[in-house]
Amino acid sequence: SAVISQKPSRDICQRGTSLTIQCQVDSQVTMMFWYRQQPGQSLTLIATANQGSEATYESGFVIDKFPISRPNLTFSTLTVSNMSPEDSSIYLCSVEPGRTDTQYFGPGTRLTVL
Amino acid sequence: AQKVTQAQTEISVVEKEDVTLDCVYETRDTTYYLFWYKQPPSGELVFLIRRNSFDEQNEISGRYSWNFQKSTSSFNFTITASQVVDSAVYFCALGNFGNEKLTFGTGTRLTIIP
Repeated sequence: SAVISQKPSRDICQRGTSLTIQCQVDSQVTMMFWYRQQPGQSLTLIATANQGSEATYESGFVIDKFPISRPNLTFSTLTVSNMSPEDSSIYLCSVEPGRTDTQYFGPGTRLTVL
Repeated sequence: AQKVTQAQTEISVVEKEDVTLDCVYETRDTTYYLFWYKQPPSGELVFLIRRNSFDEQNEISGRYSWNFQKSTSSFNFTITASQVVDSAVYFCALGNFGNEKLTFGTGTRLTIIP
């Protein structure tokens, strides 16, 4: 498995602002993933972030709204831009360590947009 | 297209009762992974089990057991002698070999009544 931390753990933001969420893992991993979980809903994959390449976004998610950085093999950021109340969600990062074929998740960032 | 159905939205049982959470999946792939994750009230997603499509052996881990049946495309999860700490939302997920994408079900909220 892997030890994954996220910052911030929660935040309350104003409409129109942006928030950057950090994801740190205790070992080098090739693939990191960002998910959104809207209130009472399941998880939806936003994008896959590989080190050294552009993130791959899922249908319905665009880079201008959710820019992602992956500067090295242990760290990634997700920015939620120009936020609206509909962006209120838990944002989770996950990693697939080694060849485990299993994703392990961070503790999540609980975002509320007013 | 891949799909995971968890028909039980909410389940409540009295402590020490056994409870089974249902998961039915759809995929055109011949090889795939199935997962169960637990999300306690704190919000983090905890990995419980991964099962490969070519391994239909049932698995038991303490009070937890999983029944995988390819013939009915089901991967059900049973908790024996439930405890209050088992209260959480449980997600079933389907993954492809090689592309790491996970498709999650809508989750089952399990409440164990003391």
